[in-house]
Amino acid sequence: AQRVTQPEKLLSVFKGAPVELKCNYSYSGSPELFWYVQYSRQRLQLLLRHISRESIKGFTADLNKGETSFHLKKPFAQEEDSAMYYCALLSGGSYIPTFGRGTSLIVHP
Amino acid sequence: DADVTQTPRNRITKTGKRIMLECSQTKGHDRMYWYRQDPGLGLRLIYYSFDVKDINKGEISDGYSVSRQAQAKFSLSLESAIPNQTALYFCATSDTRQGAYEQYFGPGTRLTVT
Repeated sequence: AQRVTQPEKLLSVFKGAPVELKCNYSYSGSPELFWYVQYSRQRLQLLLRHISRESIKGFTADLNKGETSFHLKKPFAQEEDSAMYYCALLSGGSYIPTFGRGTSLIVHP
Repeated sequence: DADVTQTPRNRITKTGKRIMLECSQTKGHDRMYWYRQDPGLGLRLIYYSFDVKDINKGEISDGYSVSRQAQAKFSLSLESAIPNQTALYFCATSDTRQGAYEQYFGPGTRLTVT
């Protein structure tokens, strides 16, 4: 069965510091991975997906199949990045997503 | 703008009451989902529907039922609410016919069972 692990419930950094939100997955097939973000009092929204290999709001994420990881990174955190971040795995076949438990990122001024 | 909407946005109910949460979408997406969000537990899938005639249980379906009245509407019912069903409930859609599997979420319904 597929599983997504986000080991940190809370990540606290200062503005301008680098940030890395960890995501590890367990899946025997070829995964599709996503990062979703939920800002305070807003709905969840897609931040980025691994197949796009894009940078959104300065965030990037690289799929590492050897380490089964899809960590989210940003070189210089901003206060507006403070939010809840969820990693999600889409498995083949039915394409039903499995979400991690989320990491709350707080960026201090 | 095409959107995913949920009603009500907030609801307080008593133990044992039946309650229905509604979700509508104007995106024309085929799939719809119900999740609950709890602090520390993240998002857990309750039910999902591939289309009107195809409904499936998710990870935590006990105590819940759903109805897909039309492609655009997907309702979640709590037959007899209990306090541990207090949570934030999200509806989501996805459009698999275009080969895109990202989820589009509604604004959420905050349910409190006393």
